[in-house]
Formats: sequence, C-alpha cells, structure tokens
Amino acid sequence: AQTVTQSQPEMSVQEAETVTLSCTYDTSESNYYLFWYKQPPSRQMILVIRQEAYKQQNATENRFSVNFQKAAKSFSLKISDSQLGDTAMYFCAFLLTQGGSEKLVFGKGTKLTVNP
Amino acid sequence: DTGVSQNPRHKITKRGQNVTFRCDPISEHNRLYWYRQTLGQGPEFLTYFQNEAQLEKSRLLSDRFSAERPKGSFSTLEIQRTEQGDSAMYLCASSPWGAGTDTQYFGPGTRLTVL
Repeated sequence: AQTVTQSQPEMSVQEAETVTLSCTYDTSESNYYLFWYKQPPSRQMILVIRQEAYKQQNATENRFSVNFQKAAKSFSLKISDSQLGDTAMYFCAFLLTQGGSEKLVFGKGTKLTVNP
Repeated sequence: DTGVSQNPRHKITKRGQNVTFRCDPISEHNRLYWYRQTLGQGPEFLTYFQNEAQLEKSRLLSDRFSAERPKGSFSTLEIQRTEQGDSAMYLCASSPWGAGTDTQYFGPGTRLTVL
C-alpha cells in the first residue's frame, strides 16, 4: 500500500528559529516524487518543495530544505528562520503513478504555528 | 498564468439536492485532478483527467458523483442527492504534460456544506 505518515499533528516554533516536520512514506516503486505543500488558513494549497527520488541531493528552496533518506523512506522538511507567514498546515505528499493514471497521496498534515 | 480557479467558492445546500462545481485549470495544462478534503485531514484523490479522458475514478466517488471535462478544458464535478457526509472542501488541481512537470497546482477549492 502507498501511504504517507505525518506523526506530528501540531507543532509550534518561535519566530526566527528552525523547525523540522517529519514525514515517512511507504512505496514499492523505485522512482517517484515527493512534495511538501503548505495550506495557510482559509487559503489555497501551494507547493513548498519537491524531491525526485533518484536524486540523492536534498532539495532546497530558500529557507526550506528537505532531508531525504530513501532507504528509511523518510522525507522531513526543515524551515529555517521561521516567519509569521509560515503559519499553516503542511502536507507531505507522494506522487503515485499507476497504469496511465497518477495522483497525490497525502499525509494528514502538521499544523505549524509560528509565534512572535 | 492566472492560476487554477474554482466556482463557487462556497455552496450551502439541503440534503437531497444536486450541486455542480466548476474548475478552470491553468491554460494549456492537460492534466486535471479532483480531491476532497475533510476537516483536519489531508486531501483524498477523487478523479483524474488527461485532456478529456477520465483515466481514474476513486472508490470514494460513488454513483452519485460524476465528473466531466468536455474538450479537455474546464471540468465539472456534480453530486446528486447530496448527503451530509458530502460536506467537505473540493479541490481541483492541474499540471502540464512533459518531463519534469509532475507538480500539481491547486485551486482555492469549493467548500460544500450539506444541511
């Protein structure tokens, strides 16, 4: 079964500090894509960062970086220099491609609050 | 790009009524997806279109649900005889075709409340 697990329902961090959100997944595929999406309160889902499984180098986008451990099937998100605008739900997702179709499989999300 | 748009943004209906939602993908994105998100959960896949062809329907999509994408442009999602359990946020996403184009871009969603 293709599943995504986010074990931290809620987290909080002080402004300017660093926080890490965890994500594990299960798949039998050898090549796949992983994503972190951000969903601010009452606003739409936007992409934070993506990782291609065949690339060993961890993806980085400004203050956001991932720690991708393929053997452990772990894909954590690190947010550096946290800002108030980072307050949101964060979803880890796995792109499942099968039989000509494709879909994202999401975890249940982590609610991140950045405190001033 | 103007982004993925969805209409209406909010819909309140009475149980048993039919509702229809519309999604306009980003121009020239030939892949379109519908997801459903209930409170406190991650989005769950409903259906996938490649151009006008519906290539997959989730088991979540009962016989009361139907989705179309005529001419491979906008898409509609219809729910017949709505039930209270249908209350959720319905999200649409699109992505282009080609190598390295696996990212899905989401619309703002339609929030359905069934009374």
